[in-house]
Amino acid sequence: QVQLQESGPGLVKPSQTLSLTCTVSGGSISSGSHYWSWIRQPAGKGLEWIGRISTSGSTDYNPSLKSRVTISVDTSKNQFSLKLSSMTAADTALYYCARDVPLVRGAANSYYYGLDVWGQGTTVTVSS
Amino acid sequence: DIQMTQSPSSLSASIGDRITITCRASQSINSFLNWYQQKPGKAPKLLVYATSTLQSGVPSTFTGSGYGTVFTLTISSLQPEDFATYSCQQTYSAPGTFGQGTKVEIK
Repeated sequence: QVQLQESGPGLVKPSQTLSLTCTVSGGSISSGSHYWSWIRQPAGKGLEWIGRISTSGSTDYNPSLKSRVTISVDTSKNQFSLKLSSMTAADTALYYCARDVPLVRGAANSYYYGLDVWGQGTTVTVSS
Repeated sequence: DIQMTQSPSSLSASIGDRITITCRASQSINSFLNWYQQKPGKAPKLLVYATSTLQSGVPSTFTGSGYGTVFTLTISSLQPEDFATYSCQQTYSAPGTFGQGTKVEIK
């Protein structure tokens, strides 16, 4: 059974770059047509999709964060990572990593994806 | 980006009640709509994908429906474990935007 675990600093200073890692256990990060995603949730607010990376290394980013976000994968360590630069107080949130898998085939060779496995989340606070 | 709007933002209901949560997309997303359940201090859990398919282990008291821009999640008989926050997510195009969530509380 695949499990995900986020790791990284809980406190980041304004203007610094956040680096988080998600370690995948119980399965290979390279298997299947999966995407590996990052989602965040400010306290008391809704979920915000940050971005994702495919097993082949292609990425999709939220346009609102695109200029500051980099998601990468290290298959040798079975990990993927998030870097978010120029952090401000608005980036304070609970950050989740999750697996995005094709669950059912749709029309015209499309697939319906879903975030079926999540890490427990890691709280990141931006403060000097 | 496709905007997802849920209603209501919160609701109070009793055990055994039937409730419906609505999610509206700012443009057509066909059937590319998922629902997640989140309990306090826990990560979200995938409940429904492709609008109406229940994830493995999800009880049949949950029903998802809709197409295009309007979708609903119905719980036919609320159980104590169903009190949580429910969020929709579109997977039609990146970014996979979420609704703001609907908190279901005990009356």
